[in-house]
Amino acid sequence: QSALTQPASVSGSPGQSITISCTGTSSDVGSYNFVSWYQQHPGKGPKLMIYEVSKRPSGVSNRFSGSKSGNTASLTISGLQAEDEAEYYCCSYAGSDTWYVFGTGTEVTVL
Amino acid sequence: EVQLVESGGGLVQPGGSLRLSCAASGFTFSSFEMNWVRQAPGKGLEWVSYISSSGSSIYYADSVKGRFTNSRDNAKNSLYLQVNSLRAEDTAVYYCARAQMATIHYWGQGTLVTVSS
Repeated sequence: QSALTQPASVSGSPGQSITISCTGTSSDVGSYNFVSWYQQHPGKGPKLMIYEVSKRPSGVSNRFSGSKSGNTASLTISGLQAEDEAEYYCCSYAGSDTWYVFGTGTEVTVL
Repeated sequence: EVQLVESGGGLVQPGGSLRLSCAASGFTFSSFEMNWVRQAPGKGLEWVSYISSSGSSIYYADSVKGRFTNSRDNAKNSLYLQVNSLRAEDTAVYYCARAQMATIHYWGQGTLVTVSS
């Protein structure tokens, strides 16, 4: 199972919106609405930001939103803030054998 | 508060073994599926293994199949990963992660395994 494809880096100025894409296949992203997004700061464990394509866990800012079309999922961060600077990973359920496939990761920089 | 605390990592020679542990607290451990996910230095996340809430179903990534063994002790609120026949490419931070409905919701801070002579 190959990793999902994400852009290596995305940047934006404070207050702007950015979107990170996550491209998989018909065996993972395209087949299941179990796409999640994680934020990871250096030296820390990942934190769940979006699950089931577009749901936000309690405590996660509504500046984070998710969507999916076909084999590609997207994470949008609106009103970009300095604290959003981190690595972001998408993840898709891929069936009860492979279980989870992760994205290649995107470094978000706040200019 | 959900807490997952990994331990057992360290420096090991190629071909060696380690037993990683994950102590869970703040939730009913026996009700949740658990996973191990690893991250090589400077690299992305890689799913390693899944175990059902009862421990009756276990799955592994092809890269570790036959070398790693995932297990749990619900009475001790603990998850384990026995890692054998270690290779340089197994060097990574190993995370314990709680899942529900095909989503990993919580992660520990990880334990570093370094395979080197």
